Amino acid sequence: EAGVVQSPRYKIIEKKQPVAFWCNPISGHNTLYWYRQNLGQGPELLIRYENEEAVDDSQLPKDRFSAERLKGVDSTLKIQPAELGDSAVYLCASSRREADTQYFGPGTRLTVL
Amino acid sequence: GESVGLHLPTLSVQEGDNSIINCAYSNSASDYFIWYKQESGKGPQFIIDIRSNMDKRQGQRVTVLLNKTVKHLSLQIAATQPGDSAVYFCAENMDGQNFVFGPGTRLSVLP
Repeated sequence: EAGVVQSPRYKIIEKKQPVAFWCNPISGHNTLYWYRQNLGQGPELLIRYENEEAVDDSQLPKDRFSAERLKGVDSTLKIQPAELGDSAVYLCASSRREADTQYFGPGTRLTVL
Repeated sequence: GESVGLHLPTLSVQEGDNSIINCAYSNSASDYFIWYKQESGKGPQFIIDIRSNMDKRQGQRVTVLLNKTVKHLSLQIAATQPGDSAVYFCAENMDGQNFVFGPGTRLSVLP
């Protein structure tokens, strides 16, 4: 079974530029999560999807962050415009259903200069 | 607010010894816990999980213990190997929906 796929693995941009991250969850997993992980810290939830519905986006900075999961499978997380403080690893995870075991992708390491 | 935390930020053990990584949680209503291992440059990898109706669960070389009385979770790794060097996170399911992660413990295995 293929794991969670994320791209790109690394991204370096200048502040105020836009950036997008893509995630393909494990086949059959209805729940998809986006996390941000700062250096030396645990992952922090940004948004959770149940199929195509964003059921928890309370921690997503909506002034600059957006996400979509149009067909309930893969998902895109966007930042526009990026700020220096957005530098972090952005992790995608999926599970069969909510509160079930989550499996993580390798993450995208974002550096904002 | 309520959160998951770890007693020790770093742990160094001799190769072949057993490792014990601890985690404290504050939400007595949490009913599902997961331990993850994260190696440098990789995403967290599932190790083992436990539900609140259990006190102990064993996997291959790993054991998770849950003490609901003192709200404490531990991960035991038997015969620690160099490949076990990583950061270990405990995650707590607080509301049946989202998981909250602790800050992590770095395990270093000495030759």
